[in-house]
Amino acid sequence: GEDVEQSLFLSVREGDSSVINCTYTDSSSTYLYWYKQEPGAGLQLLTYIFSNMDMKQDQRLTVLLNKKDKHLSLRIADTQTGDSAIYFCAERRNTDKLIFGTGTRLQVFP
Amino acid sequence: GAVVSQHPSRVICKSGTSVKIECRSLDFQATTMFWYRQFPKQSLMLMATSNEGSKATYEQGVEKDKFLINHASLTLSTLTVTSAHPEDSSFYICSAGTGFRNEQYFGPGTRLTVT
Repeated sequence: GEDVEQSLFLSVREGDSSVINCTYTDSSSTYLYWYKQEPGAGLQLLTYIFSNMDMKQDQRLTVLLNKKDKHLSLRIADTQTGDSAIYFCAERRNTDKLIFGTGTRLQVFP
Repeated sequence: GAVVSQHPSRVICKSGTSVKIECRSLDFQATTMFWYRQFPKQSLMLMATSNEGSKATYEQGVEKDKFLINHASLTLSTLTVTSAHPEDSSFYICSAGTGFRNEQYFGPGTRLTVT
């Protein structure tokens, strides 16, 4: 199907790691992205991974890609209250179109 | 760099009127701009892709006569919601593509409420 699936909600304690998962659909997707959306705002590009990579680390963010299972994850180390937001994964197919996941609301509590 | 603005940020209009939303790339030129719609607590749905100087490509199910898109320059695209109805109330977000990967950078969104 067309849907890019994410779990709806994740709650973590401040200082712990967060792992947000995404299952995408098109094995020919070239790039996979993670975006952050704060309430009432647009999307902020956090990071991306090229489809021939398994892992990418960028400061507190680690992206893992399992192309065989079409599974993407975003790990946020040392999660802070400012990380509370909705996180969207997106796959880029053979055009420039992005197909977004359903979004995961991350809540960080002290 | 790669800043995209939208104007207005919020608009309330009466049913039957038309509303224009502007999307500007402030510090780069964007050959491609994208318009999305987001319902509360839902994901972004691509409405159309617009290339400078040519007609927009609309996604299936999006009425091109209702959602008019103009991409007159490399830094400006507009979305006009014509004869708006309450069901058009939504959060509209644009993005602009740049760079060799044509990465999309998103605007802050426009909240449209039709009464």
